Amino acid sequence: EVQLVESGGGLVQPGRSLRLSCAASGFTFDDYAMHWVRQAPGKGLEWVSGIYWNSDYTGYADSVKGRFTISRDNAKNSLFLQMNSLRTEDTAFYYCVKPRHSSSSDFDYWGQGTLVTVSS
Amino acid sequence: QSALTQPRSVSGPPGQSVTISCTGTSSDVGGYNYVSWYQQDPGKAPKVVIYDVTKRPSGVPDRFSGSKSGNTASLTISGLQAEDEADYYCCSYAGSYIWVFGGGTKLTVL
Repeated sequence: EVQLVESGGGLVQPGRSLRLSCAASGFTFDDYAMHWVRQAPGKGLEWVSGIYWNSDYTGYADSVKGRFTISRDNAKNSLFLQMNSLRTEDTAFYYCVKPRHSSSSDFDYWGQGTLVTVSS
Repeated sequence: QSALTQPRSVSGPPGQSVTISCTGTSSDVGGYNYVSWYQQDPGKAPKVVIYDVTKRPSGVPDRFSGSKSGNTASLTISGLQAEDEADYYCCSYAGSYIWVFGGGTKLTVL
């Protein structure tokens, strides 16, 4: 059974940093690209970042480019999101997301999400 | 990167059909056959109902169908049922390892 378990969320002041982690199991992690998608409370979904299976390619939404860094450790079946210079508008649930196939562009498994609250 | 444009809400009585549009540009929806649709119930993680514009995952009823014309993709739900009431989001690949979601549409079954 595919499982994606996020951790690392919490309350942080504007301008500070936070690192999210996602522990993956139930599939061959290094066969798949992985993504982060966020959702502010009561708002819509926003794709944040993605990383190719071997880290050769990464992508970022304009809203986080230059502040967030996605990475992965295939030996530990783990995905990370380093978030620097946090802003109040970064407050959201952050979901770790797996695509359907190694080369597909849709997302068929989502974690339960971890809440990041940016507030002074 | 701009969010794809969806209507804020749609509604219909049980048994009827509704269509939700998703308008982008030639750089996203119009440029790739990689549009997917997600159904989200309150407090739950999204669930994919259509991928690659027209494909339906196993377990999703054939009442759900997808299409695309130019820069606009559409999700049609026929034979509306009460359990279809949810928020729906479109998503498209936008090139250069970038994806973009729509703003979401609330479906109400009257």
